[in-house]
Amino acid sequence: DTGVSQDPRHKITKRGQNVTFRCDPISEHNRLYWYRQTLGQGPEFLTYFQNEAQLEKSRLLSDRFSAERPKGSFSTLEIQRTEQGDSAMYLCASSLLRGTYNEQFFGPGTRLTVL
Amino acid sequence: SQQGEEDPQALSIQEGENATMNCSYKTSINNLQWYRQNSGRGLVHLILIRSNEREKHSGRLRVTLDTSKKSSSLLITASRAADTASYFCATDIKLTFGQGTILTVHP
Repeated sequence: DTGVSQDPRHKITKRGQNVTFRCDPISEHNRLYWYRQTLGQGPEFLTYFQNEAQLEKSRLLSDRFSAERPKGSFSTLEIQRTEQGDSAMYLCASSLLRGTYNEQFFGPGTRLTVL
Repeated sequence: SQQGEEDPQALSIQEGENATMNCSYKTSINNLQWYRQNSGRGLVHLILIRSNEREKHSGRLRVTLDTSKKSSSLLITASRAADTASYFCATDIKLTFGQGTILTVHP
């Protein structure tokens, strides 16, 4: 399977704990994106990388959130001191940017539940 | 704030009928994409239309783009029960999604 993969698929944690999610993009893709989706809403952009450089962060990404893509391949998203409001589906996507053509391929998501 | 806004929010049709969903956006774009999401799953890319294109086809899908009205439409012809899903439009590089249209196709 050469699609985008995410791990874990589900995470249940207690409020105040730290969690880390991993995303493995399609291997030749240079861009990697993180989105958050709550029930009944469309995905909301969080941040994206081109290779290892983090190019943009949404205002939704508070200082409790940090994302890395250390070698320009896989990426991690860490949430520190989780809050109940962090409960959501966290989606990762990757793309091979060519000019303005930017078809993004999404992973299955990590569903986070904060108790 | 969300860039794309889909209309209607929900659509219920019979198998074999056509389904049309609309999307409006606020700012100038380079391209617009439509995605499908089955319940609780990741998004699947359906089609991309560039800002200099007016219409595009892919199988049973037809997408139109009117940049003067900042709107797009997705037509699914001869719908099937398997088309039941949420449909989202999204614009440009850091995709900005609307709330989606929930399509239900009854067999």
